[in-house]
Amino acid sequence: QVQLQQSGPGLVKPSQTLSVTCAISGDSVSSNTATWNWIRQSPSRGLEWLGRTYFRSKWFYDYALSVKSRITINADTSRSQFSLQLNSVTPEDTAVYYCARERRFTFFGVVTRTNWYFDLWGRGTLVTVSS
Amino acid sequence: SSELTQDPAVSVALGQTVRITCQGDSLRNYYASWYQQKPGQAPLLVIYGENYRPSGIPDRFSGSSSGNTASLTITGAQAEDEADYYCNSRDSSGNVVVFGGGTKLTVL
Repeated sequence: QVQLQQSGPGLVKPSQTLSVTCAISGDSVSSNTATWNWIRQSPSRGLEWLGRTYFRSKWFYDYALSVKSRITINADTSRSQFSLQLNSVTPEDTAVYYCARERRFTFFGVVTRTNWYFDLWGRGTLVTVSS
Repeated sequence: SSELTQDPAVSVALGQTVRITCQGDSLRNYYASWYQQKPGQAPLLVIYGENYRPSGIPDRFSGSSSGNTASLTITGAQAEDEADYYCNSRDSSGNVVVFGGGTKLTVL
């Protein structure tokens, strides 16, 4: 059974770095049919995509503009996990952080259309930014 | 601000049919996915590829799309369907993931 197991501290001080790790069981972080994502959720922002990593002959990293200057996602193939680091956090970064696997579906009809979907989620890590 | 727009709340009588909609320009080119989220839980994929259900999702859940609008329909809503529902797709560039603001479904 494929699972994502999250770990990381629940409390981070302002200006410090938030770190959360997602361990993958039953799949591979270097799978060529998936991307590995970080998504957060707060009452004020709803569900917010932060970024992803994926391997297609080489590693790719894409980040949301809202956090691009502060975020790093790393993939660790030896441990089959990927991680999120968010620097210079403020109380506005308080949220539940999820890791999620994304897959792609393409419909080849008169018009070809694509759908990306998150079919596997971690249980979430509540991270509070407070002194 | 979200590039996908959902009604904040919808209600349905037990056993009746309800449609939850999601609007956005990118939906003219990309299908939406739909997620159910109950309190304290991670989102759960219920529809992808316009109208495909993952294993274990009841067939009372279905999806459709027309123009810039995607819809999730629950035919014969059950009490356990009471939850928040989110749509998701990519923006018009195809690179950035976007989510709708969510619809809170109440089953009366």
